[in-house]
Amino acid sequence: EIVLTQSPGTLSLSPGDSATLSCRASQSIGRHLAWYQQKPGQAPRLLIYDASTRATGIPARIRGSGSGTDFTLTITSLEPEDFAVYYCRQRSDWLVTFGQGTRLEIK
Amino acid sequence: QVQLQQSGPGLVRPSGTLSLTCALSGASIDNANWWTWVRQPPGMGLEWVGDIYLNGTTNYNPSLKSRVTISVAKSKTQFSLKMTSMTAADTAVYFCASPPPGGWGQGTLVTVSS
Repeated sequence: EIVLTQSPGTLSLSPGDSATLSCRASQSIGRHLAWYQQKPGQAPRLLIYDASTRATGIPARIRGSGSGTDFTLTITSLEPEDFAVYYCRQRSDWLVTFGQGTRLEIK
Repeated sequence: QVQLQQSGPGLVRPSGTLSLTCALSGASIDNANWWTWVRQPPGMGLEWVGDIYLNGTTNYNPSLKSRVTISVAKSKTQFSLKMTSMTAADTAVYFCASPPPGGWGQGTLVTVSS
């Protein structure tokens, strides 16, 4: 099983700041990584897939990067609607796994 | 973009069977290579339940494999999740999902209780 470790667990920032979220895989997954945003009571929303491809409607200030074992989600100019929980997910092999999540909270 | 609409009971008795359906609108099963079920216990993270592929192949989370079946309806406009021998530990919000760049269903809170 490929384990995804997200850091930090919680990130406290202010609107207008930039956020950098990390997702590290226990073995190489190429670029088979997606990022999701989840708000309370809602289904996860796809932000990024194939490590760096933005989903439909996702603004350019949200960017995914990385390959192999180290991946980053960068959100610049944080807006109030960006404060949520973020998950990474890999499907490099048949056994799909999620990271444990990073909570982005308002400082 | 395909829309996913989930249906199924929100309450299951201990040792009972969960049956959930995910209906596709604006597409058929053939429009994607695989379809997925994910669950999320209250206050916790996301857990992959399993996938069904276009060719009918299924893959399941090893921790659930003995109790889970994912299938596609003959209409090819919906797919289903069946989970047997439910316990309180299976209480969660269950989501169906399409592969990127598609979206997820609205989620169904399933409570296992007598």
